Amino acid sequence: NAGVTQTPKFRVLKTGQSMTLLCAQDMNHEYMYWYRQDPGMGLRLIHYSVGEGTTAKGEVPDGYNVSRLKKQNFLLGLESAAPSQTSVYFCASSLLWREQFFGPGTRLTVL
Amino acid sequence: QQQVKQSPQSLIVQKGGISIINCAYENTAFDYFPWYQQFPGKGPALLIAIRPDVSEKKEGRFTISFNKSAKQFSLHIMDSQPGDSATYFCAARGGTSGTYKYIFGTGTRLKVLA
Repeated sequence: NAGVTQTPKFRVLKTGQSMTLLCAQDMNHEYMYWYRQDPGMGLRLIHYSVGEGTTAKGEVPDGYNVSRLKKQNFLLGLESAAPSQTSVYFCASSLLWREQFFGPGTRLTVL
Repeated sequence: QQQVKQSPQSLIVQKGGISIINCAYENTAFDYFPWYQQFPGKGPALLIAIRPDVSEKKEGRFTISFNKSAKQFSLHIMDSQPGDSATYFCAARGGTSGTYKYIFGTGTRLKVLA
């Protein structure tokens, strides 16, 4: 089992560019999440999904969109990247609202 | 109030010592309190968790103490080892079935000196 995987591991964007982060899990978990981690801020929830075809906003959703077309995948899109979106992004999945399993993270820099 | 306040921000402990990290919350509806351990370049991983109807939970060298009346909980790492050097996050789960969310503390960077 690979657990939760994230693609890419690193990315540098210019302001205004768009990109998609891919999260995949092979644990058959219903729930998936996208967080961002910034120094001194802990983990903040961007969007989450409680099942295929469903998504919901978290604490800091502005500037991001998500899609859950397949149960095992959760995509995070940045429509028009801004320097404030420079962060480390973590995907997680869980069996219902139980323990969350995190991916290794994507380090994004927006210039 | 949805915040979870974590302290200290950083902690240095000698090998064999006790590491103590504290968290406080306001929302009495929180019903599950996990601690996560994160090594550099890795994602957080669940270390230990507790429910509010239990005052203490121990797993090996790691213990959570929970004080419901004070709305505080803490992580104790006994016999701290250099391999415990990592960032630790407390968290609290709140909401109702179908809408639960986790609120994370800001993290404590622990360094255990050999």
